[in-house]
Amino acid sequence: DAGVIQSPRHEVTEMGQEVTLRCKPISGHNSLFWYRQTMMRGLELLIYFNNNVPIDDSGMPEDRFSAKMPNASFSTLKIQPSEPRDSAVYFCASSWGTGLLTSGNTIYFGEGSWLTVV
Amino acid sequence: RKEVEQDPGPFNVPEGATVAFNCTYSNSASQSFFWYRQDCRKEPKLLMSVYSSGNEDGRFTAQLNRASQYISLLIRDSKLSDSATYLCVVTLYSGGSNYKLTFGKGTLLTVNP
Repeated sequence: DAGVIQSPRHEVTEMGQEVTLRCKPISGHNSLFWYRQTMMRGLELLIYFNNNVPIDDSGMPEDRFSAKMPNASFSTLKIQPSEPRDSAVYFCASSWGTGLLTSGNTIYFGEGSWLTVV
Repeated sequence: RKEVEQDPGPFNVPEGATVAFNCTYSNSASQSFFWYRQDCRKEPKLLMSVYSSGNEDGRFTAQLNRASQYISLLIRDSKLSDSATYLCVVTLYSGGSNYKLTFGKGTLLTVNP
């Protein structure tokens, strides 16, 4: 079975450029999460969708970040313009349900998109 | 106080040792608890859920203390392959039908031959 699929796996871009990260959740999952991980701050939730609707975007750092989920099988995270401090690993994850994790419902991560902004 | 706090380590232990990690959480209304494992340059993966009564999975034992608001993970007879970062995860109801999932920063374990 295919897991969560993210692209690109690695991206190096110059400051000021637009970055678009893509995610395909596991088929049948109705919750999708975007996380950012850095050494300093650990794993931070940026935004969370349920049934394609953004539920909590309080973690989105600023207006330069935006996320969309046009359908159940695709989501994007866009950074425009990018800055060096955006360098991080961006994980997409999915789960079944409303976001409550129970013993029978876990969250599955993609392999991450490693972003470097120079 | 941070929502979820872990000792960052690193913990360096010899093969066969027993090692324990603790994690504290700030919100007493937190509902479900997990340990995830993250290998170097990989994504986090579920290791085990943490039940109120405590639970065991082979060499791994997880416990929850709601009164003191901490969870623990015990690894017995550690193997080289246990070397990883262990992330504590807490779920909290955030209104409507929504839940907030918070990860600790993780504890780095290195098991040495």
